[in-house]
Amino acid sequence: QQQVKQSPQSLIVQKGGISIINCAYENTAFDYFPWYQQFPGKGPALLIAIRPDVSEKKEGRFTISFNKSAKQFSLHIMDSQPGDSATYFCAARGTGANNLFFGTGTRLTVIP
Amino acid sequence: NAGVTQTPKFRVLKTGQSMTLLCAQDMNHEYMYWYRQDPGMGLRLIHYSVGEGTTAKGEVPDGYNVSRLKKQNFLLGLESAAPSQTSVYFCASRPGGGTEAFFGQGTRLTVV
Repeated sequence: QQQVKQSPQSLIVQKGGISIINCAYENTAFDYFPWYQQFPGKGPALLIAIRPDVSEKKEGRFTISFNKSAKQFSLHIMDSQPGDSATYFCAARGTGANNLFFGTGTRLTVIP
Repeated sequence: NAGVTQTPKFRVLKTGQSMTLLCAQDMNHEYMYWYRQDPGMGLRLIHYSVGEGTTAKGEVPDGYNVSRLKKQNFLLGLESAAPSQTSVYFCASRPGGGTEAFFGQGTRLTVV
C-alpha cells in the first residue's frame, strides 16, 4: 500500500501562477518530510524539507505547508516559471534504514 | 566530487539475458538503495544496504539480486530479465545519520 499519497498526478500552470501539490500520510511515526525535484533524464534531487514541529518552511519561491493534525503537507511554488517544469515527489521518513517512502509524483508543466 | 554514478545509462536486453547495474558513490555514505521508477508508480525500493557486506529486501525485490562488497559500490543484478523489468533504475545513497538521499542519474533498461 502507498505510504504517502500524492496529488495531482499532473499539473499545468501559467507562468507567474501558483503551483500546489498535495500529499497525505497515515504513519504518525514519520518525522521528516522532503520534496524532491526531478528533471527529465536526471535523478531526483532534494528541493526542500520540513520537520513536523514546524507548520511552514519557505525557501525562495518554494514553500512547504504542514498540517500535523490532518497528516497532510503541500508544496507551493509561487511565481511559477517554465524552468520549474519537472516531476515533483513528496516523501516521508520513518525509523530505520529502509525508511524513506515516496509519493507517486506530480508532473508540473509551466506554460510561458 | 562525482556523487552517485550509475553505469550504464542505457541498456536493451533480450528476455532471459542477465546483466549487472553498477552504482558507485564517493561520499562515504553508509546507506545505499536501488529504486525502480515506473509511470504513475513513483519510486519503489528494490533492495537496500546499511553497510558493506549487508543487504536487505525492499518493496519489490523479486527478480533482482544485490551485492555490496565495497562500501562505495552497490550492484544490482538481473539473472533472467523479463519485459516487466523494463524501467528506469535509480541508485541513491545517504549518510547513516543523515536525512538527504543523493540519487544517481538513472539507468534506462528495456527488456524485449
